[in-house]
Amino acid sequence: NAGVMQNPRHLVRRRGQEARLRCSPMKGHSHVYWYRQLPEEGLKFMVYLQKENIIDESGMPKERFSAEFPKEGPSILRIQQVVRGDSAAYFCASSPGGSWETQYFGPGTRLLVL
Amino acid sequence: GENVEQHPSTLSVQEGDSAVIKCTYSDSASNYFPWYKQELGKGPQLIIDIRSNVGEKKDQRIAVTLNKTAKHFSLHITETQPEDSAVYFCAAVGAGTALIFGKGTTLSVSS
Repeated sequence: NAGVMQNPRHLVRRRGQEARLRCSPMKGHSHVYWYRQLPEEGLKFMVYLQKENIIDESGMPKERFSAEFPKEGPSILRIQQVVRGDSAAYFCASSPGGSWETQYFGPGTRLLVL
Repeated sequence: GENVEQHPSTLSVQEGDSAVIKCTYSDSASNYFPWYKQELGKGPQLIIDIRSNVGEKKDQRIAVTLNKTAKHFSLHITETQPEDSAVYFCAAVGAGTALIFGKGTTLSVSS
């Protein structure tokens, strides 16, 4: 059973470009979470999605960031007009259900904005 | 909202010693407390978790204790080995389903 998959593993963008990060949950998991980890810090929650629905986006910056989890295909975290402060590791986690279910993490996408 | 404090931020032990990492949380409604291990360049890996209806849970050399009254929980690693060296994160589930993480403990085990 494959784990959570994320791609790309590394992404370099120049300021003002768009970044698209993809996450495929574990088989049988319909709940996806995105977290951001800044250097030397813990992980911060960004958004929680189920298929075709955003359940909780309280951790998502109000501008430039968006997320989706379509009926078919991976979940996408999209960052428009990237700035240097967006440089971080972005992790996706999935769980089979919602509240208090174990979340399994992917290997992350390391975004570097030049 | 939920806030999780984790101590110490760094911990150095000799191989074979025990290591203890402590966390406190603020939301008395929190019910689920996982611990993750993160190695350099990798994603967090769940090593053990505990739910609020249990006071202690053990898995080989790893144990977690939970004190709901005091709102703190701890990770205990016995007979540490060099491969235990990593960053360890505690977390709690707050009002929603999002994990609220502590800032991490860098554990170094020297042989």
